[in-house]
Amino acid sequence: LAKTTQPISMDSYEGQEVNITCSHNNIATNDYITWYQQFPSQGPRFIIQGYKTKVTNEVASLFIPADRKSSTLSLPRVSLSDTAVYYCLVGDEVNFNKFYFGSGTKLNVKP
Amino acid sequence: DAGVTQSPTHLIKTRGQQVTLRCSPKSGHDTVSWYQQALGQGPQFIFQYYEEEERQRGNFPDRFSGHQFPNYSSELNVNALLLGDSALYLCASSLAGGYSTDTQYFGPGTRLTVL
Repeated sequence: LAKTTQPISMDSYEGQEVNITCSHNNIATNDYITWYQQFPSQGPRFIIQGYKTKVTNEVASLFIPADRKSSTLSLPRVSLSDTAVYYCLVGDEVNFNKFYFGSGTKLNVKP
Repeated sequence: DAGVTQSPTHLIKTRGQQVTLRCSPKSGHDTVSWYQQALGQGPQFIFQYYEEEERQRGNFPDRFSGHQFPNYSSELNVNALLLGDSALYLCASSLAGGYSTDTQYFGPGTRLTVL
């Protein structure tokens, strides 16, 4: 399984754009990149998933360079409610949902 | 449309006891995965059930077992509880056999405390 590396924590202020980068040097050809958000005492919530280039949905954008060895989750204009732990996961169809979550990135949004 | 539900919300057991946790998947989902999340760490995959069979398993001892019913709901059983089993146990459901390209929907979890 491809292991991921993320910053342990990040601080931001309301209204700012936040970019969280994840390193996955051993990503395999069939691997997809998925990001989850987790609030305390709750289950993780799917944010966005991509394979290459750029993916955008109503809450975030995911940027993946051509070599796919890293990815960046971009959260536009964060609010206090975006304070959470963000996990980057890499997986393929062979391993189904046997995801390695790691410790994630604790994002702290300040007023 | 109900999401993933888990019961109970909280549970306190003593060492050596056995515990059963329950999960009902999101409507229309056929695959259930279980995760253990210790305090301050990310979730760790325990196993996954599809078509009432265990299909994938993480690095957990045989004390951890499960079951999936015809209605796709699932149970997680842990025998001979240890203090280190104290954690938040998460259930996640997905569709179409649970391939990683599918979105997993997580439940709120069951907080297990072993004394």
